[in-house]
Amino acid sequence: KQEVTQIPAALSVPEGENLVLNCSFTDSAIYNLQWFRQDPGKGLTSLLLIQSSQREQTSGRLNASLDKSSGRSTLYIAASQPGDSATYLCAVRPRSGGGADGLTFGKGTHLIIQP
Amino acid sequence: GAGVSQSPSNKVTEKGKDVELRCDPISGHTALYWYRQSLGQGLEFLIYFQGNSAPDKSGLPSDRFSAERTGGSVSTLTIQRTQQEDSAVYLCASSPPPGLAYGYTFGSGTRLTVV
Repeated sequence: KQEVTQIPAALSVPEGENLVLNCSFTDSAIYNLQWFRQDPGKGLTSLLLIQSSQREQTSGRLNASLDKSSGRSTLYIAASQPGDSATYLCAVRPRSGGGADGLTFGKGTHLIIQP
Repeated sequence: GAGVSQSPSNKVTEKGKDVELRCDPISGHTALYWYRQSLGQGLEFLIYFQGNSAPDKSGLPSDRFSAERTGGSVSTLTIQRTQQEDSAVYLCASSPPPGLAYGYTFGSGTRLTVV
C-alpha cells in the first residue's frame, strides 16, 4: 500500500528565505505527483503536476522535482513571502491511473512565513 | 464551469438532521471523488465515481453516508442522522479519464458543523 510522508510537519521561516519541502513515497510505480496548497478553512489549490517521466516542473517562484527511483519529491519556494503561508500537500497517483485509491496524500507541511 | 463547484460552502446543522452536499465537477471529467478532512487530519477518501461504472464506496465510514452521481455529472453526498463527529470539511475533486496527463482539481469544500 502506497504511503506518502511529508517532512517537516511544520516550518516557520522569515520572509525572503528560500526553502524546501520534502515528500517521500514508498511505491515508485506512480503515474504522476501533484503538489497542492491549502489555506485555512479552504479547499486545495493545485500548484504543480509532475508526470512520472519528468524530473521537474516550475511555476513562478515554485519548483518541484521528482526522483521516482528513490521515491522522493521536493518543492522549492524561492524568496518566500507572507502570502506563501499555508499547508502544502503532496499527492501521488498510481500507474494504473484513477481508482478508489488513486490519490494518496501526505499529511502536509504547515508553513508560516514571518513578515 | 471552469472549476469544481461545491455548495453550500458552509453548513451548520443540528445533531440528528440529514444534510446534502453538492458537487458540480468540471465538464468532461469522468472521475469524481469525495474526501473528508477533519480538523488537524489528512484527507480521508470517501467514495469514487468513474463514468457510468458502479461507484467505489469502500471509504464511506458508516451506512449513514451515501452518494449519487446523476448523468455522470453532478454528485450529491448525503449524511443521514448527523453526528458531531461528522463535522469536517468535505472536499470534492474531479479528474479527466485515466490515461490523460492531468491531475485532480478540487473544489473549495463544504465546511460542515454539527451542533
